[in-house]
Amino acid sequence: EPEVTQTPSHQVTQMGQEVILRCVPISNHLYFYWYRQILGQKVEFLVSFYNNEISEKSEIFDDQFSVERPDGSNFTLKIRSTKLEDSAMYFCASSERGSYNEQFFGPGTRLTVL
Amino acid sequence: AQKITQTQPGMFVQEKEAVTLDCTYDTSDPSYGLFWYKQPSSGEMIFLIYQGSYDQQNATEGRYSLNFQKARKSANLVISASQLGDSAMYFCAMREGNVNTGKLIFGQGTTLQVKP
Repeated sequence: EPEVTQTPSHQVTQMGQEVILRCVPISNHLYFYWYRQILGQKVEFLVSFYNNEISEKSEIFDDQFSVERPDGSNFTLKIRSTKLEDSAMYFCASSERGSYNEQFFGPGTRLTVL
Repeated sequence: AQKITQTQPGMFVQEKEAVTLDCTYDTSDPSYGLFWYKQPSSGEMIFLIYQGSYDQQNATEGRYSLNFQKARKSANLVISASQLGDSAMYFCAMREGNVNTGKLIFGQGTTLQVKP
């Protein structure tokens, strides 16, 4: 069964460093998302991406964040200068269509900022 | 105002019994979808069940069913014949009608523990 994959599974970085989280969505999916979950809290929407551009972003997704689909398979989330409060689990998700299909989540990348 | 409310932070159920996890939502959009996800201790998010706002019947997927009461804006998850492997965090989520985003808004989650 096709699945969303994410690398790395765990990333440790120093405050102020740049990190890139990588995702490979399911191949025939057109809509891509990033969510984050701070430990013990609910899952929060960061950004949605369709047709090679951001379709919606949350207040969390400020200028320090960016997303890219550099080729036909990868979908990346970059945090330019990490802060302690960026420590969280980051989930990539994809869906075949925007609204009427379930979103399939990847296993997540746990980001720890020291 | 919270868009998705899960009022039960934690629930216990005896193995083989049924359990209902509550979820209420708030939207003025006539077109929306409701989702339930399971998050075991390993951390991944597993899709369980989906209910569209225009669906006439309650959704069912194996041991999972969704008790959709539109007038009350509730979308409770019913798990029948609980198994030890059902112990996890359960999240209710809503997608409002914008076709090009489909972002999910999640509730705070309910931790379910199944007792042998």
